[in-house]
Amino acid sequence: QQQVKQSPQSLIVQKGGISIINCAYENTAFDYFPWYQQFPGKGPALLIAIRPDVSEKKEGRFTISFNKSAKQFSLHIMDSQPGDSATYFCAASYSGAVWCAGKSTFGDGTTLTVKP
Amino acid sequence: DTAVSQTPKYLVTQMGNDKSIKCEQNLGHDTMYWYKQDSKKFLKIMFSYNNKELIINETVPNRFSPKSPDKAHLNLHINSLELGDSAVYFCASSQDEEGELYNEQFFGPGTRLTVL
Repeated sequence: QQQVKQSPQSLIVQKGGISIINCAYENTAFDYFPWYQQFPGKGPALLIAIRPDVSEKKEGRFTISFNKSAKQFSLHIMDSQPGDSATYFCAASYSGAVWCAGKSTFGDGTTLTVKP
Repeated sequence: DTAVSQTPKYLVTQMGNDKSIKCEQNLGHDTMYWYKQDSKKFLKIMFSYNNKELIINETVPNRFSPKSPDKAHLNLHINSLELGDSAVYFCASSQDEEGELYNEQFFGPGTRLTVL
């Protein structure tokens, strides 16, 4: 059972355009929703994260929109640049429960290509 | 200063061999993880290890065993390697806030394992 579903699998955007990646989750116990960015040959790195008590979080050109009732969240990249070309993973995790300490469930990833 | 380091970066071995991958973090984190990333870039958690408590993903074969000599190290030992074990393995760490998991994970650079 896949707990976090991510779409699209791949995305091609022109420079300056908006990139949008969507994720949906099932388990309402999740309370931390990060997005990770991975460049080829590197490990994933945290890009931006949100907790369900807010509906939106913005950091520079990156924004997470969160819809708790729909159990969906999305990453928006404004003014997309070729340097943003990477694989993006959404994730969902629990907090405060020792038995599942640190367990995060990742989406399947979206490969973003920003064309110059 | 490397926050999470792994050795080796590349590992090529024959089927049936036993191998280990080492991981060290200098962030003072309480929780460490091992992930497997397959050729389709799907990222799956294998283990998390927190304050000597091991949480295992039940889908991981028992040929895989994590070993933690101290809080800063979590090594991955693999017995009787199979072709399907070929993947990139990532180590990660995170810090627990008291009573709540902060859960930003810091990933290592990965170890590309190729089983022939």
